[in-house]
Amino acid sequence: QKEVEQNSGPLSVPEGAIASLNCTYSDRGSQSFFWYRQYSGKSPELIMFIYSNGDKEDGRFTAQLNKASQYVSLLIRDSQPSDSATYLCAVIKTSYDKVIFGPGTSLSVIP
Amino acid sequence: GAVVSQHPSRVICKSGTSVKIECRSLDFQATTMFWYRQFPKQSLMLMATSNEGSKATYEQGVEKDKFLINHASLTLSTLTVTSAHPEDSSFYICSANLGTGGTEAFFGQGTRLTVV
Repeated sequence: QKEVEQNSGPLSVPEGAIASLNCTYSDRGSQSFFWYRQYSGKSPELIMFIYSNGDKEDGRFTAQLNKASQYVSLLIRDSQPSDSATYLCAVIKTSYDKVIFGPGTSLSVIP
Repeated sequence: GAVVSQHPSRVICKSGTSVKIECRSLDFQATTMFWYRQFPKQSLMLMATSNEGSKATYEQGVEKDKFLINHASLTLSTLTVTSAHPEDSSFYICSANLGTGGTEAFFGQGTRLTVV
């Protein structure tokens, strides 16, 4: 079982719709969860981080964490073509600071 | 946010030569930095953890004699790809975390290595 799993996509949504990205992780003791956006040929950039169960909202982005289900998601409201990118779910494990990345989900927002 | 600077952003080298990539934390001290490799259309794969003043910790399957890591100061880690081959061509990214546990990772700009 991979440590962090995501649907690879591609996920296509029309402009203005809600894009839903999902991620599961295997280490139940994981503490911190991140969503990064990566454009082709560029380094990842942080979109959201979440530590506690529940929802966390920042502008058009909402991260959701359910530690019991070992599940974290990212919702993007009012999707824009500029949101088209690969979204990486990342987890920091308990005993280390290294960040473990999921395989990424490719999102395409269709104008 | 914190800044991590990586240099060079792009390098082309001949097969058999060595290439050094630098990763600097510009406004904070990083006792630990991380090196990732990313092949096209794949996710970031952790190669090694660079520890200031001690040996790096390599992930399984990563050749420590091929990918030399030196973390000589609290703001600089270097990755040297020795005797590079075309299959080493990839996007190499470094990162450093602020604090311990529960904080975000700040990434360098990445280095596109092409071995010809």
